[in-house]
Amino acid sequence: GENVEQHPSTLSVQEGDSAVIKCTYSDSASNYFPWYKQELGKGPQLIIDIRSNVGEKKDQRIAVTLNKTAKHFSLHITETQPEDSAVYFCAAGSTSGTYKYIFGTGTRLKVLA
Amino acid sequence: KAGVTQTPRYLIKTRGQQVTLSCSPISGHRSVSWYQQTPGQGLQFLFEYFSETQRNKGNFPGRFSGRQFSNSRSEMNVSTLELGDSALYLCASRQDGFGTQYFGPGTRLTVL
Repeated sequence: GENVEQHPSTLSVQEGDSAVIKCTYSDSASNYFPWYKQELGKGPQLIIDIRSNVGEKKDQRIAVTLNKTAKHFSLHITETQPEDSAVYFCAAGSTSGTYKYIFGTGTRLKVLA
Repeated sequence: KAGVTQTPRYLIKTRGQQVTLSCSPISGHRSVSWYQQTPGQGLQFLFEYFSETQRNKGNFPGRFSGRQFSNSRSEMNVSTLELGDSALYLCASRQDGFGTQYFGPGTRLTVL
């Protein structure tokens, strides 16, 4: 069945360093890839997304890259800050068929001051 | 624009009871999806409603059901609660058939 694998499950970085989270999807029909940040006690918040007709997208310290051939996409956070500490989820969806989002299992990011 | 709202935020029930959770989507959004989030299983898709019709369904037992009203508000019902139903239940809305999905804060359900 469709699934999204996400790695690593936990990630600790020093403040100011970069963090990279990777996801792999299985459904070739997937063409939309959002990333969500979930802080303690809150629902996931969209932080960036990318569509399959684009290879990379940036928004200040956050960037997402997509390799359609390898079915990989990654989240890059540069100059990490303590407030970046949260759980991050990737997801894959399609504009055809079932319109479902399949989520990764999440990465707990800790930024050490 | 107001975000997705969910009520109640916290619930405590006992085994065998039933519960109804409510979700109000962002104004103009016609699609509402429900997810169960647990530490061990991550975000598990329950079902999606679009224009009052269930469009997608995840792999949950029939004890989990939902509906959507003409104003796009949605309710989720769980009957005969089990201890394993303890979780954060998240609702997400999007504007049309496919688009960016926005989550509510969730309802924390504890089954004793």
